[in-house]
Amino acid sequence: GAVVSQHPSRVICKSGTSVKIECRSLDFQATTMFWYRQFPKQSLMLMATSNEGSKATYEQGVEKDKFLINHASLTLSTLTVTSAHPEDSSFYICSAFIRGATNEKLFFGSGTQLSVL
Amino acid sequence: SQQGEEDPQALSIQEGENATMNCSYKTSINNLQWYRQNSGRGLVHLILIRSNEREKHSGRLRVTLDTSKKSSSLLITASRAADTASYFCATDGLMDSSYKLIFGSGTRLLVRP
Repeated sequence: GAVVSQHPSRVICKSGTSVKIECRSLDFQATTMFWYRQFPKQSLMLMATSNEGSKATYEQGVEKDKFLINHASLTLSTLTVTSAHPEDSSFYICSAFIRGATNEKLFFGSGTQLSVL
Repeated sequence: SQQGEEDPQALSIQEGENATMNCSYKTSINNLQWYRQNSGRGLVHLILIRSNEREKHSGRLRVTLDTSKKSSSLLITASRAADTASYFCATDGLMDSSYKLIFGSGTRLLVRP
């Protein structure tokens, strides 16, 4: 079946540094990828929708300059947390979207646990 | 943005009992999906029910959908300790002119052996 690879699975960084998270669709082309953030014991909050070749669409309250999303190819989307601070510590999950003839499917990455010291 | 509310927020049952979780949502949907998440891990897709379906079964899972009430339920029968996890409903459809998948608030299920 379709697989979405997300790297790294865990990252610890110092406050003020930038962290890049990659999301790859391994055996299919995903025109759209979604990025979610999840704080402990909370639900997944949609951060942004990433469309190949165009600017990402951010949800209300998500800073586009803080969370840079690049979807340069049909198989790769990246999320860069710029100048990370402890409050950015969270679990980040990507999802790749396929629209078929009769339905839509979403495949999730395994997530990235970001800890900012 | 978060579309769905789930109840209960937490549920503790004895192994062998049934667990029922409810989800309510706000806007029109194409499908409603249920996911499972073990602590600190990724999501596992459990089941999808389309907006024109009312009930669906998969193994020990039974999902209902009532579009008139904008609600869904997930029933896990004969629960096992390994069912301990967080369960999320997620609705998909067009929102703000683009396709989105929005998650509910989740139910933390604890199955005591």
